[in-house]
Amino acid sequence: ETGVTQTPRHLVMGMTNKKSLKCEQHLGHNAMYWYKQSAKKPLELMFVYSLEERVENNSVPSRFSPECPNSSHLFLHLHTLQPEDSALYLCASSQVTSGANEQFFGPGTRLTVL
Amino acid sequence: QKEVEQDPGPLSVPEGAIVSLNCTYSNSAFQYFMWYRQYSRKGPELLMYTYSSGNKEDGRFTAQVDKSSKYISLFIRDSQPSDSATYLCAMIGQGAQKLVFGQGTRLTINP
Repeated sequence: ETGVTQTPRHLVMGMTNKKSLKCEQHLGHNAMYWYKQSAKKPLELMFVYSLEERVENNSVPSRFSPECPNSSHLFLHLHTLQPEDSALYLCASSQVTSGANEQFFGPGTRLTVL
Repeated sequence: QKEVEQDPGPLSVPEGAIVSLNCTYSNSAFQYFMWYRQYSRKGPELLMYTYSSGNKEDGRFTAQVDKSSKYISLFIRDSQPSDSATYLCAMIGQGAQKLVFGQGTRLTINP
């Protein structure tokens, strides 16, 4: 495996379900991110983990719960979601320096909430 | 006012044309300017980035930054149908972690 991988690629869930999204980076980076991508809107940053500590949480509803057990893995736990949470969820990683902090993205999980 | 403005298009041009994609921004603290390409059903892929003002060329792609006007551009020469994708601009301040993205411009190159 190379780069950033995400599983599952597609997920359909009901509003009462609990599911988790998984991300793994094989780039040796020290920061990982969750983004939400909805139609006709810019990418929305949800969570940032740097050196396995959460450094940013952009007022994301508590029905989204991130977990970063080590620098290579990132999870997004989902429960009691709403239909408006249907979107493409993207994971990214970067090596945080004083420079550009280029982020490398995974293929995303397409989530549909019924 | 949004921090980054990008015309969502769609933009449709014939094969071989020169394509110009643009973003404007309001935050003068931004120092690094990036362009990502996103094919349908895929994650964004970093194309190139530029530090501060100036031009950067990579093959058929040229990125241009004008900090005095808070305006960045991506030019694609000799466009190909395989260039059809959504192009997102993104920018970040020195030492920052939060990339700020434009909405993305959907581009179609017609054979």
